[in-house]
Amino acid sequence: EDKVVQSPLSLVVHEGDTVTLNCSYEVTNFRSLLWYKQEKKAPTFLFMLTSSGIEKKSGRLSSILDKKELFSILNITATQTGDSAIYLCAVFIQGAQKLVFGQGTRLTINP
Amino acid sequence: DVKVTQSSRYLVKRTGEKVFLECVQDMDHENMFWYRQDPGLGLRLIYFSYDVKMKEKGDIPEGYSVSREKKERFSLILESASTNQTSMYLCASTPAGGKLFFGSGTQLSVL
Repeated sequence: EDKVVQSPLSLVVHEGDTVTLNCSYEVTNFRSLLWYKQEKKAPTFLFMLTSSGIEKKSGRLSSILDKKELFSILNITATQTGDSAIYLCAVFIQGAQKLVFGQGTRLTINP
Repeated sequence: DVKVTQSSRYLVKRTGEKVFLECVQDMDHENMFWYRQDPGLGLRLIYFSYDVKMKEKGDIPEGYSVSREKKERFSLILESASTNQTSMYLCASTPAGGKLFFGSGTQLSVL
């Protein structure tokens, strides 16, 4: 069974802290790993990772994939209250053509 | 910009009613998905479709059916709604390869 597991499930930090969110996976036929941010409504796309060891960066957010150890991390530096959200990790399964999501990490940034 | 439109933002139905949730995308995407999202469980795949008239069961298809008569439209049907189907329902589409575009979601309450 294809499985994606995120940790921690919940995290509360102070503004300015750096956080690392984890995503591990066990799937039959990996194609890509995606990170999404979800505030009040639909998830919005952050990153798509297909190759090991290549960091993707967007402002204070960055992510990297390790296909040997089957995990990815999402880093957020100098956190702001606007970073408070649920962060979702998902893996696209080649062949089956479907995306399997983890449970999500609820991140709360306190001022 | 890709647009995925779900017909209702909030819906309240009674136990036993037949419920239709509609989703339309405007970018000629092959793949469309229905997820439900519940606290602590992340997004769980109900059904998906990779072509017109094609459908595949996701992880939790029981109590649901789908219809894809046209490429742009993917409908989720609850034949006889039950209280345990109270949830946020998210529709998404992708051309291929994993980057999903989500609709705004439908918060369904079954009383």
